[in-house]
Amino acid sequence: EIVLTQSPGTLFLSPGERATLSCRASQSVSNGYLAWYQQKPGQAPRLLIYNASFRATGIPDRFSGSGSGTDFTLTISRLEPEDFAVYYCQQYGSSPGTFGQGTKVGIK
Amino acid sequence: QLQLQESGPGLVKPLETLSLTCSVSGGSISSTGYYWGWIRQSPGKGLEWIGNIHYSGSSYHNPSLKSRVTVSVDTSKNQFSLKLSAVTAADTAVYYCARHEVSLWFGNSPGAGYFDYWGQGTLFTVSS
Repeated sequence: EIVLTQSPGTLFLSPGERATLSCRASQSVSNGYLAWYQQKPGQAPRLLIYNASFRATGIPDRFSGSGSGTDFTLTISRLEPEDFAVYYCQQYGSSPGTFGQGTKVGIK
Repeated sequence: QLQLQESGPGLVKPLETLSLTCSVSGGSISSTGYYWGWIRQSPGKGLEWIGNIHYSGSSYHNPSLKSRVTVSVDTSKNQFSLKLSAVTAADTAVYYCARHEVSLWFGNSPGAGYFDYWGQGTLFTVSS
């Protein structure tokens, strides 16, 4: 199965700053089948991005996804207070689908 | 707005069977094109996909869980369920149900996809 490695493990930033999160796959993710989720304490993950770059319904345009092959990026253009959370990537280009270990975006 | 809600006992003894049900509201579980799935999250293993089912009864699950997983659907109640047999402490986790959009297909068989609507999750503990 494909192993996803997210970096950094933790990112400390201030509101208004730009966040860049990385997700690297152990082998190429076919068709760019990669999703990003946001999770806040005590809540379920929330779908942000699917197919590497398509925003899910209701997701603000400050969230964007890019990448292909083995390297993918989630960018938050200007952090809002509600964006401080843990972010996970998930590949579904091969079976079984797998998740990364997460990147925490904390307040500096 | 589609909503999902997990229910089931929070504590089971080792080697017993975990049984969870997901109730779907705000939409029909018989919606064409969607599967319905289970994912779990533990501190040790992170997020792990368990298995999915279609309203027709077609299902598939993570091979890592071998034959311990059974996923079923009850369209009359707009619910789907998970049974995980022979549980151990390693099965202690928060269990989520979610709607599953299959993107990867092997012919007519589903392979993988993403999850767009999630339940709030329920903690399931294995302990004697």
